[in-house]
Amino acid sequence: DGGITQSPKYLFRKEGQNVTLSCEQNLNHDAMYWYRQDPGQGLRLIYYSQIVNDFQKGDIAEGYSVSREKKESFPLTVTSAQKNPTAFYLCASSHRVNTEAFFGQGTRLTVV
Amino acid sequence: ILNVEQSPQSLHVQEGDSTNFTCSFPSSNFYALHWYRWETAKSPEALFVMTLNGDEKKKGRISATLNTKEGYSYLYIKGSQPEDSATYLCAHDRGSTLGRLYFGRGTQLTVWP
Repeated sequence: DGGITQSPKYLFRKEGQNVTLSCEQNLNHDAMYWYRQDPGQGLRLIYYSQIVNDFQKGDIAEGYSVSREKKESFPLTVTSAQKNPTAFYLCASSHRVNTEAFFGQGTRLTVV
Repeated sequence: ILNVEQSPQSLHVQEGDSTNFTCSFPSSNFYALHWYRWETAKSPEALFVMTLNGDEKKKGRISATLNTKEGYSYLYIKGSQPEDSATYLCAHDRGSTLGRLYFGRGTQLTVWP
């Protein structure tokens, strides 16, 4: 079954700690994206990557970092520099030609 | 319009009612308009990707129209069913970066049996 997998589903982090959210896809898509959702707001883009070893900042990249060492994987690290990390995080991918996005099920991060 | 706006924010209808929602987006720099359905505890799923002014797309009881000149799209659901309950997201692709989408806040639809 082709799809996009995020893990873990729920994550708790202590203040001051870095944490990494996993995103893997087996759709052979070139482009991958990380979005954040907060209550009452639309999905906001954190980072995106259109090709291996290349990525670009989105609208709210401060306090986050990513890597794209493999086509299938686009992990997101939430660093201690992110002021309000508690949120729901969605990973997505799309093909370069057909830009319909496919989404994971999300990771809910809570800072305790 | 600088951002993608959706209205209404939420909608409650009875089973069998037909309903529609609106998505407004900047009419300049248009590449595509996406509609997604997001059911609770599931991943958002694409309904339509629309690129041409005047485009109309249909999937079962759900259809959508697009006006790129004035910057709006309508999503229609005919004869709503409880399983249609979800948040409906629209997203604007400006074409500046392939696949990069700007999302509205969504319309949350609840269909009561």
